[in-house]
Amino acid sequence: GQNIDQPTEMTATEGAIVQINCTYQTSGFNGLFWYQQHAGEAPTFLSYNVLDGLEEKGRFSSFLSRSKGYSYLLLKELQMKDSASYLCAVVSGGSYIPTFGRGTSLIVHP
Amino acid sequence: EPEVTQTPSHQVTQMGQEVILRCVPISNHLYFYWYRQILGQKVEFLVSFYNNEISEKSEIFDDQFSVERPDGSNFTLKIRSTKLEDSAMYFCASSDPGQVNTEAFFGQGTRLTVV
Repeated sequence: GQNIDQPTEMTATEGAIVQINCTYQTSGFNGLFWYQQHAGEAPTFLSYNVLDGLEEKGRFSSFLSRSKGYSYLLLKELQMKDSASYLCAVVSGGSYIPTFGRGTSLIVHP
Repeated sequence: EPEVTQTPSHQVTQMGQEVILRCVPISNHLYFYWYRQILGQKVEFLVSFYNNEISEKSEIFDDQFSVERPDGSNFTLKIRSTKLEDSAMYFCASSDPGQVNTEAFFGQGTRLTVV
């Protein structure tokens, strides 16, 4: 099975930087997704990491360490609209199917 | 931009009734999925569908659930006899395994309320 762990909730200030961590235990790791989900809406894709290292995409970056079973999502220059849940999802075994963690609810305040 | 569409957006049904949730995946995608999210909880995998058959399913996807691709565009989830605990947001998703990212694109969801 898979075990995916994220903090339940984080708060940050507009304009600041926040790092959301995700740890996982799984066999046959294939890749790790980050999705953003606003309340009552569908998850939307942010990033996909397969290899170790940092991938930068605008204000958002995602890091992966396969040996440590660890990833983080880094959000820079936070905006109020970044208030949402951030879902870590792992693909493993021979599957294409992402298995989601419980998500981290990020609250950005002025 | 292509998107996954789901209908209806909201469905209220009485316990014991059958419901069919409908989805139109992105047209060139090959994998289709149903997930559900009970209010305040995590997104849970139900079933995946590839090449006109179920490829994987979770323990949630019991005999009360079934999926169908009745034509070249629609993908449906049927719950035969709904229970109160089936109340959730149901998300359809699709992906193209030919792409490097193999990201799943989600529809906007159907909020199912069983009363």
